[in-house]
Amino acid sequence: DTAVSQTPKYLVTQMGNDKSIKCEQNLGHDTMYWYKQDSKKFLKIMFSYNNKELIINETVPNRFSPKSPDKAHLNLHINSLELGDSAVYFCASSQAGGAKNIQYFGAGTRLSVL
Amino acid sequence: GEDVEQSLFLSVREGDSSVINCTYTDSSSTYLYWYKQEPGAGLQLLTYIFSNMDMKQDQRLTVLLNKKDKHLSLRIADTQTGDSAIYFCAESISDGQNFVFGPGTRLSVLP
Repeated sequence: DTAVSQTPKYLVTQMGNDKSIKCEQNLGHDTMYWYKQDSKKFLKIMFSYNNKELIINETVPNRFSPKSPDKAHLNLHINSLELGDSAVYFCASSQAGGAKNIQYFGAGTRLSVL
Repeated sequence: GEDVEQSLFLSVREGDSSVINCTYTDSSSTYLYWYKQEPGAGLQLLTYIFSNMDMKQDQRLTVLLNKKDKHLSLRIADTQTGDSAIYFCAESISDGQNFVFGPGTRLSVLP
């Protein structure tokens, strides 16, 4: 069974549209994350959720909104998509409670905004 | 703030050893990690080291940590073509929530 799964794997859409990316983990972890990887492969954290509370919110535009219906899911909703949003978005999860914080990653969602 | 640096590219011949270097700035880092990303895939944890250790070995992988210089390295012995990937160094600081990645080193293994 896949530990961290994201859907869709590929997403192609027009500027101005609203889209969502879903993430689910079956590891029983209590913290989930969204990362953005740009074309140069630089990886930046966007959000993390711990027990349904947002605990990190890096300076991302408020067009991006994470939604966590339960601790196994963290979805990413993006309003009014822009060209610069094109990237690969990775979901990850970890178990808090100690600094080891090993993060397990999904396979990524490649978003292309036309 | 926290910052993690790596050189962006490394090429080695098949069968040689690869050494990927990383420097970090946060002295309160408790764990440091190496992740591998193959083309079109997510990040996969390779190994990690606790900050009070100097070295950790796991089969072909050797991690060296110089805490004084804030320098971490990953040595891959007998590098194979399947090792071609991007390798990310990352640190987790004491609160366990902040996790910072380096820019990644693209390793190319030449036949």
